[in-house]
Amino acid sequence: NAGVTQTPKFQVLKTGQSMTLQCAQDMNHEYMSWYRQDPGMGLRLIHYSVGAGITDQGEVPNGYNVSRSTTEDFPLRLLSAAPSQTSVYFCASSQRRDRWGGGKPQHFGDGTRLSIL
Amino acid sequence: SQQGEEDPQALSIQEGENATMNCSYKTSINNLQWYRQNSGRGLVHLILIRSNEREKHSGRLRVTLDTSKKSSSLLITASRAADTASYFCATGEETSGSRLTFGEGTQLTVNP
Repeated sequence: NAGVTQTPKFQVLKTGQSMTLQCAQDMNHEYMSWYRQDPGMGLRLIHYSVGAGITDQGEVPNGYNVSRSTTEDFPLRLLSAAPSQTSVYFCASSQRRDRWGGGKPQHFGDGTRLSIL
Repeated sequence: SQQGEEDPQALSIQEGENATMNCSYKTSINNLQWYRQNSGRGLVHLILIRSNEREKHSGRLRVTLDTSKKSSSLLITASRAADTASYFCATGEETSGSRLTFGEGTQLTVNP
């Protein structure tokens, strides 16, 4: 079982370039999310999805787009990279909720380290 | 804004000692989770406690939750050098237990 796979692991971009960070999970999880982690800080939610075809904004969505055409994949697109988007990006997935409506543990990928010059 | 605030920001102890980390939050929650992050890696789930639970154990981990004080603690007993990592609490929203808000983390160093 691969779990959550993120590609690439490292990327350097120039200001204004666009790119897509890939995230795939093989656990048939309904819920997927993207976070960014900056030095000395916890994770901040960028976008999330509760199932194929459904996405919503998190705490820091500006400058990023997502789509969810399949259960397995949840790519994150940087439209026009800015130095402020230099960060480590984590993708996570979980079952959506248990039968009592409670949350479930999230499974994380190993991250994409992105530098924007 | 961060939902959780963790205390202390950094903790250094000797192997065999216990480590206690605290988390406070601001809004009503569905669940609270603790995660560990080793340097350069993704987060690993440790334990989940629901809002109607007060205490939960998993191996050397003990988590408590006090919803009246909006706080939680993580106790690691008999710590090992391999426990050196950052520890994060994350709260699940009351209306959507899946969406998590993370604290800023506690950096734990266990000296051999």
